[in-house]
Amino acid sequence: AQSVTQLDSQVPVFEEAPVELRCNYSSSVSVYLFWYVQYPNQGLQLLLKYLSGSTLVKGINGFEAEFNKSQTSFHLRKPSVHISDTAEYFCAVSDRGNTGFQKLVFGTGTRLLVSP
Amino acid sequence: ETGVTQSPTHLIKTRGQQVTLRCSSQSGHNTVSWYQQALGQGPQFIFQYYREEENGRGNFPPRFSGLQFPNYSSELNVNALELDDSALYLCASSQGRGNEKLFFGSGTQLSVL
Repeated sequence: AQSVTQLDSQVPVFEEAPVELRCNYSSSVSVYLFWYVQYPNQGLQLLLKYLSGSTLVKGINGFEAEFNKSQTSFHLRKPSVHISDTAEYFCAVSDRGNTGFQKLVFGTGTRLLVSP
Repeated sequence: ETGVTQSPTHLIKTRGQQVTLRCSSQSGHNTVSWYQQALGQGPQFIFQYYREEENGRGNFPPRFSGLQFPNYSSELNVNALELDDSALYLCASSQGRGNEKLFFGSGTQLSVL
C-alpha cells in the first residue's frame, strides 16, 4: 500500500522569502507524484507532476519539485513567495500499474501562510 | 472546454437521511473519481467510474454508492448518513483511468447534523 507523509502541517513565511514544503512517500512499486494546491472553499488545482524523465519538475506559479528516489521524497520549492500563495498544499502519489485502476493517495496537507 | 462542475455547492442533512451529489465531467472525459475530504485532512478515494462501470473502490462502506451516465456525468449517493460523513466531496474527471491528467471540481460541502 502507498502512503504519503507531509512533515509540516503549517509553514509560515514572509513575502518574497523562499519556501520548501516537504513530502515523503512509501510505495513498493514505481510511482507518479503530484502536488496540488487548494485555495479556501475551492477544489484542487494541479501545480506539477512527476511521471518520468528529469527529476526536477517545474510547475505553475513559479513552483518546482525534485523527485529523489533514494530518499523517497518529492519536496516542493519556490524561490520567492507571494501573499497570493497562501493556501493548502497536498502531495499525492499514484502507482504506475497497468491494471487500469490507479487511485491518488494524498498526504494530510501543508498550510502555507505568507505574511507581509 | 467546460470544466468539472459539481452540485449542489453546499448541503445540510440530518443523521439517517440519504443524499445525492452530482458531477458533470469535463468535455471529452470518460472517467470520474470521487474523493472525500474531511476537515483538516487530505482527500480520500471513494471510487472511480469508467465508461459507466465502477472501476475501483476505496475503503468506504456499501452505503456509499455511485452511478455514471452515458454522457459520463456521475452521482454519488450516501445512505443512512452519519455525523462523520460531514466533509467536502470532490469529483475529478479524466480521459482514461490514469491520474496523469485529472481535473477536480470545486466540491460539495456536506454537513450532517
